[in-house]
Amino acid sequence: NAGVTQTPKFQVLKTGQSMTLQCAQDMNHEYMSWYRQDPGMGLRLIHYSVGAGITDQGEVPNGYNVSRSTTEDFPLRLLSAAPSQTSVYFCASKTDRVGNEKLFFGSGTQLSVL
Amino acid sequence: GDSVTQMEGPVTLSEEAFLTINCTYTATGYPSLFWYVQYPGEGLQLLLKATKADDKGSNKGFEATYRKETTSFHLEKGSVQVSDSAVYFCALSFNQPRKLIFGAGTRLAVHP
Repeated sequence: NAGVTQTPKFQVLKTGQSMTLQCAQDMNHEYMSWYRQDPGMGLRLIHYSVGAGITDQGEVPNGYNVSRSTTEDFPLRLLSAAPSQTSVYFCASKTDRVGNEKLFFGSGTQLSVL
Repeated sequence: GDSVTQMEGPVTLSEEAFLTINCTYTATGYPSLFWYVQYPGEGLQLLLKATKADDKGSNKGFEATYRKETTSFHLEKGSVQVSDSAVYFCALSFNQPRKLIFGAGTRLAVHP
């Protein structure tokens, strides 16, 4: 009964480095998304996907790439990390039925960019 | 644009005290409204929701009523417990099921 699994839990990067945050869900959810959580700003949507091969931008997409090759996985790539990307990142998924907004969240990845 | 405003925290209460966390929203139209809760070290989880005006969402002793006239969705609980210590997020969504708009969150600390 894993739900949404994110790895790693913690990561420290230097400015300019690249990395991929992993997200996997085992609930056969069509919809998957990435949020970042910053103090005083709540959660902001970065990218989302409504199925394999389909992705779209959210509120704050710059500096991040995503792909969705399978229903289960939705990795988030930072191409060239910047200090402004220091944040806590959450992956979330749900079924994509109209009127269903119950998101299932992973436990988060705390990222620091020095 | 659409937005959610929550009262700033932290809110500090003694066990068995009454809780209110204020939430107001700005939106064109009539969104669905939600409260999510985040326990320490975990992701968010849905606490309750209401989909139309005057609906009351409830779960685990928490309640919130969708007030169209005041554009509010305040969270209440009659008697809080230490285990309720968490961060509470108010959120809204329209029948575009692809995006939830979250408030900044309110941290609640309950002491024995």
